Amino acid sequence: KAGVTQTPRYLIKTRGQQVTLSCSPISGHRSVSWYQQTPGQGLQFLFEYFSETQRNKGNFPGRFSGRQFSNSRSEMNVSTLELGDSALYLCASTPAAGVNTEAFFGQGTRLTVV
Amino acid sequence: AQTVTQSQPEMSVQEAETVTLSCTYDTSESDYYLFWYKQPPSRQMILVIRQEAYKQQNATENRFSVNFQKAAKSFSLKISDSQLGDAAMYFCAYRRGNNDMRFGAGTRLTVKP
Repeated sequence: KAGVTQTPRYLIKTRGQQVTLSCSPISGHRSVSWYQQTPGQGLQFLFEYFSETQRNKGNFPGRFSGRQFSNSRSEMNVSTLELGDSALYLCASTPAAGVNTEAFFGQGTRLTVV
Repeated sequence: AQTVTQSQPEMSVQEAETVTLSCTYDTSESDYYLFWYKQPPSRQMILVIRQEAYKQQNATENRFSVNFQKAAKSFSLKISDSQLGDAAMYFCAYRRGNNDMRFGAGTRLTVKP
């Protein structure tokens, strides 16, 4: 089985631009979560999607948004980029809702805002 | 709110020796899962071991084992016969039901040859 795939792996954007990151979960997994990882704040939860619906949301401004498609692939979008948005963005998938299972992570997208 | 605390920002171990990484968490729930993830320089988070809170028996996976103390809300990871490939950031995580997974700040493990 292929793992969680995130594209692109690296991205450089200018302050004020917007960016879209993509995540393809493991086949059969219906839940996708997004995390932001920075040296100062560690791993912070952004949001989770299950069956195309946002189920949980972390404490991030509205500039951060996401969606999930019928094939479970997910995208997250950050509008009006700020320097502080530079981070590693990790996507994780889990098989189903309501189950205390582990999350399977992708290799992340390293976003640099200049 | 559930919080996860890793009090050791960095740890070091000699190759072939044993090291224990600490983790404590705060929750009022009785049914939850705990995890240890490893993040090598490649950045991909890899599951090392997981523990169901309702199971009293400590989980083990080859050279990795946990010491789960539910009453003390403690969940430490023991790595036996440490190998150079064990060098990485280790994250302790908590999850309950549909809620998001909460991570500790991480412990950077160095393995000395």
